[in-house]
Amino acid sequence: QKEVEQDPGPLSVPEGAIVSLNCTYSNSAFQYFMWYRQYSRKGPELLMYTYSSGNKEDGRFTAQVDKSSKYISLFIRDSQPSDSATYLCAIDYNTDKLIFGTGTRLQVFP
Amino acid sequence: EPEVTQTPSHQVTQMGQEVILRCVPISNHLYFYWYRQILGQKVEFLVSFYNNEISEKSEIFDDQFSVERPDGSNFTLKIRSTKLEDSAMYFCASGKDRVTNEKLFFGSGTQLSVL
Repeated sequence: QKEVEQDPGPLSVPEGAIVSLNCTYSNSAFQYFMWYRQYSRKGPELLMYTYSSGNKEDGRFTAQVDKSSKYISLFIRDSQPSDSATYLCAIDYNTDKLIFGTGTRLQVFP
Repeated sequence: EPEVTQTPSHQVTQMGQEVILRCVPISNHLYFYWYRQILGQKVEFLVSFYNNEISEKSEIFDDQFSVERPDGSNFTLKIRSTKLEDSAMYFCASGKDRVTNEKLFFGSGTQLSVL
C-alpha cells in the first residue's frame, strides 16, 4: 500500500468554481499535513499546513484533515486562472522527511 | 521574499560522469534538503543536512551521492558516477527549523539529463 495516494487528475474547472483536491494516507502515525502548489518548471511552494483534525482556512483556501479516515482535502473557493498548477499533498511524522503525493494537475479556464 | 537559488537550471551529462548540483539556501536558514522528481512521478526525499552533517537520508541516497556545505553559503549535491535513472529534476530546499516547525522553501530545481 502506498504511503500517500493522490488522484493525478487533470482537473479542469471554470473560473469561480469550488475545487476539491484530496489525498489518502496509510500510516496513522503521520502527524503533519501540508499542501504545496507547484507551477510548471518551479519548485513546490507551501500553501497550507496543519497537524490536527478539522479545518484550517486561509483566504480562498481551506485545508481539511480527517485522521480517523486518513483523508486530507484542500478546497479552493472562487478559483482563478492563476490557480492553475499542480497541487501536492505532503505528509510528515515528525522526521526531516516529507512524503509527497503524486500531485493533482488543476486547470482553471476563464 | 528571499529565494533558494539553484544552478545550473539544466545539466546534461554522459552516463558514468560526475555531476555537482549547486544550491544557495536562504541566508539565515539552518536546515537543508535535497529532493528529486523523476518525470511524471512524485517528489521524493533524498537527504537532510543540519549542523554540517546528514541528519536523515533515503534509500535512494546511496554511496554514489554525497552532500557538502563547502562554505557559509553553498550547499551541493554530488553524484559520483551518474546512471540513466538519475535523470530527474533535483530540488534544493532550506528552512530555519525542521520541516515540522517551519516553512520549507524550495528552489526552482536543476533538470539533470543523463545520456
